[in-house]
Amino acid sequence: DQQVKQNSPSLSVQEGRISILNCDYTNSMFDYFLWYKKYPAEGPTFLISISSIKDKNEDGRFTVFLNKSAKHLSLHIVPSQPGDSAVYFCAASINSGYALNFGKGTSLLVTP
Amino acid sequence: DADVTQTPRNRITKTGKRIMLECSQTKGHDRMYWYRQDPGLGLRLIYYSFDVKDINKGEISDGYSVSRQAQAKFSLSLESAIPNQTALYFCATEAGTGRDQPQHFGDGTRLSIL
Repeated sequence: DQQVKQNSPSLSVQEGRISILNCDYTNSMFDYFLWYKKYPAEGPTFLISISSIKDKNEDGRFTVFLNKSAKHLSLHIVPSQPGDSAVYFCAASINSGYALNFGKGTSLLVTP
Repeated sequence: DADVTQTPRNRITKTGKRIMLECSQTKGHDRMYWYRQDPGLGLRLIYYSFDVKDINKGEISDGYSVSRQAQAKFSLSLESAIPNQTALYFCATEAGTGRDQPQHFGDGTRLSIL
């Protein structure tokens, strides 16, 4: 069973607007959540993370929000840039430092 | 130079062959992982190692074996390759010190088994 779900396979956003990528999880034991970005022919690159003791973490244009009661997290990118076009994976783990459970990814296209 | 290097980057081979995928890292991390990615799916864990003497099975270890030759090297072997092992394989490392450390990935090995 997929414990981390990204229900939107793709998203298209205009440059300068906000991109919102969503992720849901089913395992209430997850306490560490990450977003990775992946370009073609490259490995996933760590983008931002959040611990379950927080509900928001911000790094420049990227903000991750965690809603534990809903078992939902989201990644906001503002303003979106064409270079943000990539596949974004949501991942979660228990006790950090263990195996990551990945979603299927959302392909973001930022158009000029 | 990449911190996590995977070789080869691409490999085409035949059913029944033994294949080894190699991963080396210069990050000095204790923890290393092997994942596979299939089209339209997220990454799934095959094996992981927290130090040289530690090997653990992941979600999909059947048909695979690993060797942690040194802190910096973690190899994945397919003893007798089959077509449904055609996938993109990623190695990752993690510091393992303190909480909330992200994993760092290599650029992957694209493996095709005919």
